[in-house]
Amino acid sequence: SQQGEEDPQALSIQEGENATMNCSYKTSINNLQWYRQNSGRGLVHLILIRSNEREKHSGRLRVTLDTSKKSSSLLITASRAADTASYFCATASNSGGSNYKLTFGKGTLLTVNP
Amino acid sequence: DSGVTQTPKHLITATGQRVTLRCSPRSGDLSVYWYQQSLDQGLQFLIQYYNGEERAKGNILERFSAQQFPDLHSELNLSSLELGDSALYFCASSVGGRGAYEQYFGPGTRLTVT
Repeated sequence: SQQGEEDPQALSIQEGENATMNCSYKTSINNLQWYRQNSGRGLVHLILIRSNEREKHSGRLRVTLDTSKKSSSLLITASRAADTASYFCATASNSGGSNYKLTFGKGTLLTVNP
Repeated sequence: DSGVTQTPKHLITATGQRVTLRCSPRSGDLSVYWYQQSLDQGLQFLIQYYNGEERAKGNILERFSAQQFPDLHSELNLSSLELGDSALYFCASSVGGRGAYEQYFGPGTRLTVT
């Protein structure tokens, strides 16, 4: 079953605009990760934010995490056509043991129009 | 290029058959994860191996099995194939074994069961 739920399911913007995607989850987590997937290809890791962090930046990416609301957001600034892809959040959580499992959401399909 | 390799890229087979998918992790990574991605189920975690031993199990069917060899490559065996097993199968690797690290995905094997 999916732990992370991305919102919106699809987003279409113009090149140069900012894109914001949200992720909500249900259980406590060790960290939350964002991945990108170009159509039919492997996922690419973008950024990892730990449960004790509130914000993280990487280039044009900004991720926030609110553990009290069990939610995260991914902001892509100054989008480019090459950013067109599906974006997934994945939560690392355990069931009381020492091992964690990554659970992926269903993703947000971002289309950036030139 | 993530450094994770998967073979074959495409596989077409008939119901009832058995296939083996192969994965080589990034150099230095000890953990291998297998995922199944389909349109209706999304990205589902199947199983994790760490340094040759099974570490975590997800939604893996009894008809499916996996192993990790001493050279750290892994194989996923799918038997008694059904139409519903048609999907993209991804292998990912990470340096640690506890499952909370960022994962590096291979390009996937597209399995079509006819």
